[in-house]
Amino acid sequence: GDSVTQMEGPVTLSEEAFLTINCTYTATGYPSLFWYVQYPGEGLQLLLKATKADDKGSNKGFEATYRKETTSFHLEKGSVQVSDSAVYFCALEAGNNRKLIWGLGTSLAVNP
Amino acid sequence: DAGITQSPRHKVTETGTPVTLRCHQTENHRYMYWYRQDPGHGLRLIHYSYGVKDTDKGEVSDGYSVSRSKTEDFLLTLESATSSQTSVYFCAISSGQGGETQYFGPGTRLLVL
Repeated sequence: GDSVTQMEGPVTLSEEAFLTINCTYTATGYPSLFWYVQYPGEGLQLLLKATKADDKGSNKGFEATYRKETTSFHLEKGSVQVSDSAVYFCALEAGNNRKLIWGLGTSLAVNP
Repeated sequence: DAGITQSPRHKVTETGTPVTLRCHQTENHRYMYWYRQDPGHGLRLIHYSYGVKDTDKGEVSDGYSVSRSKTEDFLLTLESATSSQTSVYFCAISSGQGGETQYFGPGTRLLVL
């Protein structure tokens, strides 16, 4: 069945460091791919998404490119800030049932 | 921000008691979802709804029931709460179009003693 695998955390970085959080998926067809972010004590919110191969989603300095050849959707940011400390979830939507398949989340802590 | 509220936001209850959580939306979205979030398990879908009175099970539906009598409200009921249902519960909504965003509520923290 469909699945999402993302790198385990926690990830700890210093401010202004480069961030990569790996996400790979297994799905039939052409899924839509998402990154959500959850700040402490809050619900999840969409960070970015891509709905077809080679699309790049971007928001708040974060980017991810839908790579069908490697079934990946890695999240990157060139220079993280303390305010980026959160849990990041990769997810996919495959088929027509409008359900998301979720990765387990990666916790990021950015130190000043 | 999408108009989604959850009530209550926090609840402590005892094993064996019934509990109902409410999700209310003002966006007129067709799809509504209930998730639970637990350490080490990420988000797991409990039930979802694709219209008034139209619901279906998710991956962890045992011990839970849902109802949707109006577009704006989606209720999650724990018929007889157990300690394993201690969790944070999130409601989400979406328009139901392919590739569309799910918008999340602020969550309900439930402790079953």
